[in-house]
Amino acid sequence: SAVISQKPSRDICQRGTSLTIQCQVDSQVTMMFWYRQQPGQSLTLIATANQGSEATYESGFVIDKFPISRPNLTFSTLTVSNMSPEDSSIYLCSVGLAGFQFFGPGTRLTVL
Amino acid sequence: DQQVKQNSPSLSVQEGRISILNCDYTNSMFDYFLWYKKYPAEGPTFLISISSIKDKNEDGRFTVFLNKSAKHLSLHIVPSQPGDSAVYFCAAGTGTASKLTFGTGTRLQVTL
Repeated sequence: SAVISQKPSRDICQRGTSLTIQCQVDSQVTMMFWYRQQPGQSLTLIATANQGSEATYESGFVIDKFPISRPNLTFSTLTVSNMSPEDSSIYLCSVGLAGFQFFGPGTRLTVL
Repeated sequence: DQQVKQNSPSLSVQEGRISILNCDYTNSMFDYFLWYKKYPAEGPTFLISISSIKDKNEDGRFTVFLNKSAKHLSLHIVPSQPGDSAVYFCAAGTGTASKLTFGTGTRLQVTL
């Protein structure tokens, strides 16, 4: 398995601002994923972040809104830009390892 | 288009009895299925998986059944324990290292 930490664990932000969420893994992994879980909904994949290449975004998600960095094999960031109340969600990173995906604890974001 | 569906948003079971959580999928390309358990304020935790070459996988109290012709899988927990109370997500992918599509979750409550 992998130990994954996320910072911050929660935040309350004002409309129009941006927040960067950090994801740290205790081992080197090739594939990292960012998910969003809106209130009462399922987990939705935002993008796949592979080291050394541009992130691959899913339908409905764009780089300008959710820029992602992957500077090395143990770390990634997701920025939620120009936030609106609709961005209030739990944001989770996960890593693909040995055929499974392991998840971080999530970042609970509230946008006022 | 919800490719993975969990039609029961909640389920209540008495301690010691069997819990059966169901999941249906529509994409015939899915060949790898997983169940995750999620407690509040935590990330999803991997529980058990099954590949499409099998129709059953067992791990202790947890058994997953796959019916490919019906595009249906189920998770059986027996005997159910109060610590099993959580939200359960089924997820599907193509290949073991691929991105996952999640269902909407079923909240299981195990009562004394």
